[in-house]
Amino acid sequence: ETGVTQSPTHLIKTRGQQVTLRCSSQSGHNTVSWYQQALGQGPQFIFQYYREEENGRGNFPPRFSGLQFPNYSSELNVNALELDDSALYLCASSFLGAEGYTFGSGTRLTVV
Amino acid sequence: GENVEQHPSTLSVQEGDSAVIKCTYSDSASNYFPWYKQELGKGPQLIIDIRSNVGEKKDQRIAVTLNKTAKHFSLHITETQPEDSAVYFCAASMTGGGNKLTFGTGTQLKVEL
Repeated sequence: ETGVTQSPTHLIKTRGQQVTLRCSSQSGHNTVSWYQQALGQGPQFIFQYYREEENGRGNFPPRFSGLQFPNYSSELNVNALELDDSALYLCASSFLGAEGYTFGSGTRLTVV
Repeated sequence: GENVEQHPSTLSVQEGDSAVIKCTYSDSASNYFPWYKQELGKGPQLIIDIRSNVGEKKDQRIAVTLNKTAKHFSLHITETQPEDSAVYFCAASMTGGGNKLTFGTGTQLKVEL
């Protein structure tokens, strides 16, 4: 059974640029969620995808968007990057209705 | 929305001692309370969870207690070992898995030899 894999592990972008982060869900999971974890803080819910549609969203602006593909992999896109977007972005997969997420190791995004 | 507070932010114990981390939540509709352990450079890993219809749950050296009336829950680690050193997060959600988790701010646990 494979876990959740994320790519890339680290990324440096310039303010105003766009970024795409990728996630492969754990085998058998059909739901993917994205979280933003600022340094020294707990993860903050960005949104969740189920059956390729957004299934809940946290308090993040529309420049944060996502996709889920038929194979349950996912992308997080962030447009017009701001310095405060610097954080660890975590992908988590689960089976809808089941308990507990499986988190990936995250992508460390630095905006300069 | 839900708000989860977690204390202490840092905790240092001697190997073999017990460690207790406490969390409070604000939304009485929350009914699922997981605890995650995050090691450096890794994502959070679920270590134990509890539902609102249970007051206590234990798994070897780890236990979690829940007081629904007071809206607080705690993680207890007994016989701590150096490998227990990590950041621990509590979280709350309205239903089990697959739904929005609201996390606490984390506790840095250091187990000293």
